[in-house]
Amino acid sequence: GENVEQHPSTLSVQEGDSAVIKCTYSDSASNYFPWYKQELGKRPQLIIDIRSNVGEKKDQRIAVTLNKTAKHFSLHITETQPEDSAVYFCAASIGLQGGSEKLVFGKGTKLTVNP
Amino acid sequence: NAGVTQTPKFQVLKTGQSMTLQCAQDMNHEYMSWYRQDPGMGLRLIHYSVGAGITDQGEVPNGYNVSRSTTEDFPLRLLSAAPSQTSVYFCASSGDGRSTDTQYFGPGTRLTVL
Repeated sequence: GENVEQHPSTLSVQEGDSAVIKCTYSDSASNYFPWYKQELGKRPQLIIDIRSNVGEKKDQRIAVTLNKTAKHFSLHITETQPEDSAVYFCAASIGLQGGSEKLVFGKGTKLTVNP
Repeated sequence: NAGVTQTPKFQVLKTGQSMTLQCAQDMNHEYMSWYRQDPGMGLRLIHYSVGAGITDQGEVPNGYNVSRSTTEDFPLRLLSAAPSQTSVYFCASSGDGRSTDTQYFGPGTRLTVL
């Protein structure tokens, strides 16, 4: 069925280290993979996304890689800072009848960056 | 622009009560959706709409109704509240009528059903 697995569920790193969060998806037709950051008590906010015609995308300290063959994608955060501490969600698009799509979210990764 | 707004921020209901969670956006977005967020479960789609007059079910639609009479508003109705509906509810919208455009989330409504 439609499924997005996200690992790890918690991740603790030292300030300045890198953090990697991985997701796998089940629908080979998925073509859109966003990542959202949610700080405590706040709304999710898009931080980066990638589409299936691209293998990698970078935005300053954040990068996302996509392996369509293996059906997995990853978020990489370099030079982590305490303000990167949050819950991160991956998602994958799933096609619906009638041509529309929906997003299926992973269960989230709680990232803690220790000063 | 206010973006996506939701009211109320907090609500406590008794089992069996009904209520409507309000969602509005001022970005002229076609696509709007409702998610619920439970601890350890991520965000699950309840209902969505690709434009005024069009709604459809998501992953967990039971116990909820929606309507989309205008582009701006997308209210979520709980017909007879149950403790299992205790959750944080987020409304989201995106510009091009599809979920695969950037989705902007509202601030959320924290609902407790006793």
